[in-house]
Amino acid sequence: SYELTQPPSVSVSPGQTASITCSGDKLGDKYACWYQQKPGQSPVLVIYQSSKRPSGIPARFSGSNSGNTATLTISGTQAMDEADYYCQAWDSSLRVFGGGTKLTVL
Amino acid sequence: EVQLVESGGGLVKPGGSLRLSCVASGFTFSGYSVNWVRQAPGKGLEWVSSISSSGSYIYYADSVKGRFTISRDNAKNSLYLQMNSLRAEDTAVYYCARDLLSSFDYWGQGTLVTVSS
Repeated sequence: SYELTQPPSVSVSPGQTASITCSGDKLGDKYACWYQQKPGQSPVLVIYQSSKRPSGIPARFSGSNSGNTATLTISGTQAMDEADYYCQAWDSSLRVFGGGTKLTVL
Repeated sequence: EVQLVESGGGLVKPGGSLRLSCVASGFTFSGYSVNWVRQAPGKGLEWVSSISSSGSYIYYADSVKGRFTISRDNAKNSLYLQMNSLRAEDTAVYYCARDLLSSFDYWGQGTLVTVSS
């Protein structure tokens, strides 16, 4: 079965750039998307089709996908961006999530 | 405003059954595929099942295949998940989520299923 691998945790200082990676076999040939989840809340889509932002998502969130790695980049990270982030892709009509990355802003 | 509201969660004994429902509003339900996604306490997201807009195409994660059945009633704007032969490892918050362009663009608030004796 297809697997997506994320680092368990990433730390960033306020105002700096945070990068969260998601690795999977030939992931660049698929669409990847990213979700933000804060404690006690439902996930929120922040990037779809690898690099597109839904309406209402701040421009500091961006995505890329090439080779075996998709990357979520948060520029000018704010304290409110502290959350768990999950990547997701499709493989043979099945949806797959990465294990999640806890982003700490300190 | 798009809304997805789940219900039907609760405490059930191992081997038991439960039926979850999700009522959609604010969009043309019959025009979208929809999914169930779960999250065990303190763990990550796990996709469970999806059903196409007409109900013709259905997919399951290996972990629930043969035990769970997804269905929908477009006349009632409703999505269902029949869960049989429940196990402790099925304990989770179950979310319904709308499918759009290979991603889940709207999520419900979730309903908690606890499998315990």
